[in-house]
Amino acid sequence: DTGVSQNPRHKITKRGQNVTFRCDPISEHNRLYWYRQTLGQGPEFLTYFQNEAQLEKSRLLSDRFSAERPKGSFSTLEIQRTEQGDSAMYLCASSSILNTEAFFGQGTRLTVV
Amino acid sequence: EDQVTQSPEALRLQEGESSSLNCSYTVSGLRGLFWYRQDPGKGPEFLFTLYSAGEEKEKERLKATLTKKESFLHITAPKPEDSATYLCAVPHSGGYQKVTFGTGTKLQVIP
Repeated sequence: DTGVSQNPRHKITKRGQNVTFRCDPISEHNRLYWYRQTLGQGPEFLTYFQNEAQLEKSRLLSDRFSAERPKGSFSTLEIQRTEQGDSAMYLCASSSILNTEAFFGQGTRLTVV
Repeated sequence: EDQVTQSPEALRLQEGESSSLNCSYTVSGLRGLFWYRQDPGKGPEFLFTLYSAGEEKEKERLKATLTKKESFLHITAPKPEDSATYLCAVPHSGGYQKVTFGTGTKLQVIP
């Protein structure tokens, strides 16, 4: 399977705990995106990497959120001190510099209890 | 601020009953428009990119069209397997790194 891979698929955590999600993009894609989607809504942009550089961050990305993409390969999204409002589907997508469309992974469903 | 509005929110069709979904947008300097399909519990699946008014693209029973203010996704003789949420999205005027999505149209095709 050469698509975008996200792990874990599901995560249940207690409020106040830290969580980390991983995204492995399509291998030849140098652009990587994180989105968040809540029920009944479209995905909302969180942040964007070109290679290892984080070039844009949404105002939605509070100080409790941090994303990295070491060596321009896989990426991680960490949420510290989770809150119930963080419950959502976290989607990762990637694209190549030659094409405009992004391809999404299956997402990580986070439930904060 | 870029805005994308999709209608209707939900659509129920009989198998074989053709219809259209609408996506209207407000963006300064359109750089393109994307259509995605999303099945429950899964990530969006890319369908089409349209770059300029008058452009059309087709894939199986789906045909996407674009004007200066809106896009339509026409579904011809739908089948139950076409049931999904259809999302449209526009890239930020500053580039393709940020995309604004609509809330989607949930399509149900009844056998």
